[in-house]
Amino acid sequence: DTAVSQTPKYLVTQMGNDKSIKCEQNLGHDTMYWYKQDSKKFLKIMFSYNNKELIINETVPNRFSPKSPDKAHLNLHINSLELGDSAVYFCASSQVQKGTDTQYFGPGTRLTVL
Amino acid sequence: GENVEQHPSTLSVQEGDSAVIKCTYSDSASNYFPWYKQELGKRPQLIIDIRSNVGEKKDQRIAVTLNKTAKHFSLHITETQPEDSAVYFCAAPHSGGYQKVTFGIGTKLQVIP
Repeated sequence: DTAVSQTPKYLVTQMGNDKSIKCEQNLGHDTMYWYKQDSKKFLKIMFSYNNKELIINETVPNRFSPKSPDKAHLNLHINSLELGDSAVYFCASSQVQKGTDTQYFGPGTRLTVL
Repeated sequence: GENVEQHPSTLSVQEGDSAVIKCTYSDSASNYFPWYKQELGKRPQLIIDIRSNVGEKKDQRIAVTLNKTAKHFSLHITETQPEDSAVYFCAAPHSGGYQKVTFGIGTKLQVIP
């Protein structure tokens, strides 16, 4: 069974377009995240949702808009795509407990902006 | 906030040798320290973690040590094998409020057969 899934796996698009990435987790976790991994492999948190509420927004441009329709889903919509948005985007989930927080990652979405 | 520094950024070892990756953190209240392994083209996955009430934890060929006084923790891989080649990330959660995890920059480990 896939614990955290993302679609699509690959996304190639032109500058200026709008695109969405979807994420679903079947682990029953209460917290979901979006990370951006650039070409240097640095993992940077973008957003975190706890029980459908936005908890963390790490100064991401407002062209990026996350939406969590329920605890099991966290989608990412990107407007007016730019070349610098090219990266691998990982969704992750965790069960927030005081003192531990194992992140379970999705397979990633490789976004290429031409 | 939490600041996590990881080194080295790249590491090459001969098969069978040991590899050590080190991380330091800034938030003295942090109490949970996971290590993730990311193989080429794959997702990061937890390989081992340690809580602040222990100094060392082992799982077969991998071990993690923690020095809370010095605020650093290390990943040790013994008898390295080619399948250990990957990028390894340390991480530390922020102590306040909901968990926000800061990752180190990653260490690309290459095990040479």
